[in-house]
Amino acid sequence: EDQVTQSPEALRLQEGESSSLNCSYTVSGLRGLFWYRQDPGKGPEFLFTLYSAGEEKEKERLKATLTKKESFLHITAPKPEDSATYLCAVRSSNSGYALNFGKGTSLLVTP
Amino acid sequence: DARVTQTPRHKVTEMGQEVTMRCQPILGHNTVFWYRQTMMQGLELLAYFRNRAPLDDSGMPKDRFSAEMPDATLATLKIQPSEPRDSAVYFCASGLSSGRVSEQFFGPGTRLTVL
Repeated sequence: EDQVTQSPEALRLQEGESSSLNCSYTVSGLRGLFWYRQDPGKGPEFLFTLYSAGEEKEKERLKATLTKKESFLHITAPKPEDSATYLCAVRSSNSGYALNFGKGTSLLVTP
Repeated sequence: DARVTQTPRHKVTEMGQEVTMRCQPILGHNTVFWYRQTMMQGLELLAYFRNRAPLDDSGMPKDRFSAEMPDATLATLKIQPSEPRDSAVYFCASGLSSGRVSEQFFGPGTRLTVL
């Protein structure tokens, strides 16, 4: 069975203090690893898809990386507007087009 | 600006009542997903359709939940009868799924409270 574990559950950063969020996964045949951002009271917002180990993608202060066992979401010099819950999800050879989500990391960036 | 729309945004009902949630996927998307989100369980897949055909509904309690796509512009999720444990936020997502491509785009959700 596919498993996705995110850590930490919650993270508090000072503005400008860079850090990384972790998503470790166990799947049979990775077809894609996805990162989403979710603001309170809203639906998840798509950020990145990674397909193979070694792949990296960047968007503004965010950079996602992928290995054979985990993915990291690096946040460089975060701002308060980066505060949100970040969700990781995987698609596997068992899941068709469905995604299996982790429980998320709640990020708070203080001024 | 193409978006997934969901109605209603909020629903409060009493135990035993029927609840119907509606979703309009992004025009041209061929795959529609229903998820439920709770604090305890996170985001869980209930069911999904591709080209309007149901592909997976294994996450759905079949005795009370049903999902349909009467046409390409409308997906519905029905609960009958509703129970307090169904209280959650229900999200619809759509995507243009083909081969490797499988990004999903979420609607704003329906917050359901069953008293």
